[in-house]
Amino acid sequence: TAGITQAPTSQILAAGRSMTLRCTQDMRHNAMYWYRQDLGLGLRLIHYSNTAGTTGKGEVPDGYSVSRANTDDFPLTLASAVPSQTSVYFCASSETSGGHTDTQYFGPGTRLTVL
Amino acid sequence: GQNIDQPTEMTATEGAIVQINCTYQTSGFNGLFWYQQHAGEAPTFLSYNVLDGLEEKGRFSSFLSRSKGYSYLLLKELQMKDSASYLCAPMDSNYQLIWGAGTKLIIKP
Repeated sequence: TAGITQAPTSQILAAGRSMTLRCTQDMRHNAMYWYRQDLGLGLRLIHYSNTAGTTGKGEVPDGYSVSRANTDDFPLTLASAVPSQTSVYFCASSETSGGHTDTQYFGPGTRLTVL
Repeated sequence: GQNIDQPTEMTATEGAIVQINCTYQTSGFNGLFWYQQHAGEAPTFLSYNVLDGLEEKGRFSSFLSRSKGYSYLLLKELQMKDSASYLCAPMDSNYQLIWGAGTKLIIKP
């Protein structure tokens, strides 16, 4: 199985432009997550979804939006990119959430540069 | 606030043993995860501890002391492929992972 896929692998984006980072999992996991990873810092949670149709805000949600129309897909949208959003973005999923300690599995990441 | 502390970088020799320490302060506690992350790749799961003590899994072992807010990852018989960053991530009362910045482990022949 593919597990979790992300697209694109990398992208250079002009400030002020919008962009959607795609994430798809084929493990039928209920919970999905978006993190950003910056040099010298730990992974920071942007948004999460405990199950299809629900989303929640993480530690650093400003400037980002998500949707969860079905179990498999969890896109992350930057409405108007700024240079501080330059980062590596990881999508992750876990079998359950909301009271469970299930292991999170990560996609390969998207490297985004905003100029 | 919530805080994770791990060494930024460690160096060890191929075939040796290395211990990577992690201290944490979280709002509530629901276990602690260790992940491995090779440069330019995604984190991959190594271990999970929720009770005090040592969990052994092949060459890797992980220890937890909840009263001390302390964990360590022990890597034995080091191989060059173990060169990576090791991320400590306790889970808080909301079942969210709090990630440390990671320890970059450099293995020398």
